[in-house]
Amino acid sequence: KAGVTQTPRYLIKTRGQQVTLSCSPISGHRSVSWYQQTPGQGLQFLFEYFSETQRNKGNFPGRFSGRQFSNSRSEMNVSTLELGDSALYLCASSLVRGARTFFGQGTRLTVV
Amino acid sequence: TQLLEQSPQFLSIQEGENLTVYCNSSSVFSSLQWYRQEPGEGPVLLVTVVTGGEVKKLKRLTFQFGDARKDSSLHITAAQPGDTGLYLCAGLGSSNTGKLIFGQGTTLQVKP
Repeated sequence: KAGVTQTPRYLIKTRGQQVTLSCSPISGHRSVSWYQQTPGQGLQFLFEYFSETQRNKGNFPGRFSGRQFSNSRSEMNVSTLELGDSALYLCASSLVRGARTFFGQGTRLTVV
Repeated sequence: TQLLEQSPQFLSIQEGENLTVYCNSSSVFSSLQWYRQEPGEGPVLLVTVVTGGEVKKLKRLTFQFGDARKDSSLHITAAQPGDTGLYLCAGLGSSNTGKLIFGQGTTLQVKP
């Protein structure tokens, strides 16, 4: 069974640009969540999707958005990139909300 | 706001030594998950504990969930260089959420 797949693995963007990250959950998993990981702040929750609906949102500005499709695949978008958005973005999936949660390898975003 | 305090933050030990990592909170969690992460990769799920007082063993790793479901510990017996990595505890506030609350992480270095 394939794990959580995130694409791309690495991205370099310029300040002011926007970026879209993709996540394919484990087959059959319906809950997808996103996290930002930085050396200073650790892992911080961005948002959670279940059945194509955002169920929870972390304390991030509106420049961060996401969505989930009917096949449970998810995307997150960051607009007007800032240097501080440089981080490892992690997608996680679980069968249902509150179940064991598995992470993808992450997308390393560097904003220059 | 639910918080998880993880300690110690850094641990450098010799091969063969034992160690314990602690995860504490004033809040009750429906479950707690332990992960291990290598640099540049996503966290890998080691174990999920759900019941207060539960003890789970994974080879040389022993995980315990506190009776009140507010704290957890990870004990490694006879650490090996292959155990080196970042250990993360993460709690779910309820069974009806996919939002994980993470501890700050423990960076473990096991020297040969």
